[in-house]
Amino acid sequence: RKEVEQDPGPFNVPEGATVAFNCTYSNSASQSFFWYRQDCRKEPKLLMSVYSSGNEDGRFTAQLNRASQYISLLIRDSKLSDSATYLCVGDSGAGSYQLTFGKGTKLSVIP
Amino acid sequence: GAVVSQHPSWVICKSGTSVKIECRSLDFQATTMFWYRQFPKQSLMLMATSNEGSKATYEQGVEKDKFLINHASLTLSTLTVTSAHPEDSSFYICSARDLSAGLKNIQYFGAGTRLSVL
Repeated sequence: RKEVEQDPGPFNVPEGATVAFNCTYSNSASQSFFWYRQDCRKEPKLLMSVYSSGNEDGRFTAQLNRASQYISLLIRDSKLSDSATYLCVGDSGAGSYQLTFGKGTKLSVIP
Repeated sequence: GAVVSQHPSWVICKSGTSVKIECRSLDFQATTMFWYRQFPKQSLMLMATSNEGSKATYEQGVEKDKFLINHASLTLSTLTVTSAHPEDSSFYICSARDLSAGLKNIQYFGAGTRLSVL
């Protein structure tokens, strides 16, 4: 079974804090990874794509370690609007476009 | 960014009826769309891969005769839940892969359909 495992959470952090999420994947054939955020009762929205060793976009940094099969997401200077569930996602590899989702980690940024 | 329209967003139906959900890519073409189901506090589970012009590929444990998928054009896929029962109540979400993205697996999600079967 090809799985993506995430920190169970929830993470409750104050505004301005830095928070990191870790994710491991079991499918060594996976090539592409993504972090999505999902607000309550809404659809997932793409936050970052990770194709090589990492990616950075403003306050968000994703890192990929293929040898250890884990991906991380770092959020700096947390905002209240960052409160959401963060989904770690990997593709199925071998040219497949299917995605495998982790169960998500809930983040609550507190004033 | 790319937009995927999914509707209805919310439907309540009686047990035994069929419900049709549409997933439409508005500003890009998608030869491949995906249908997911998400139960409360669970992750998205892939139900099937919808391929334009050919039969859908279903994941293990998903009944193809119960969840009918039609992908008649490059911008539209439909999921029909036939003879719905209360255990089919869930959040159904579609995604579409942007054909112009090449090898990059960029998928955009519809807003989801919350199905409640009484």
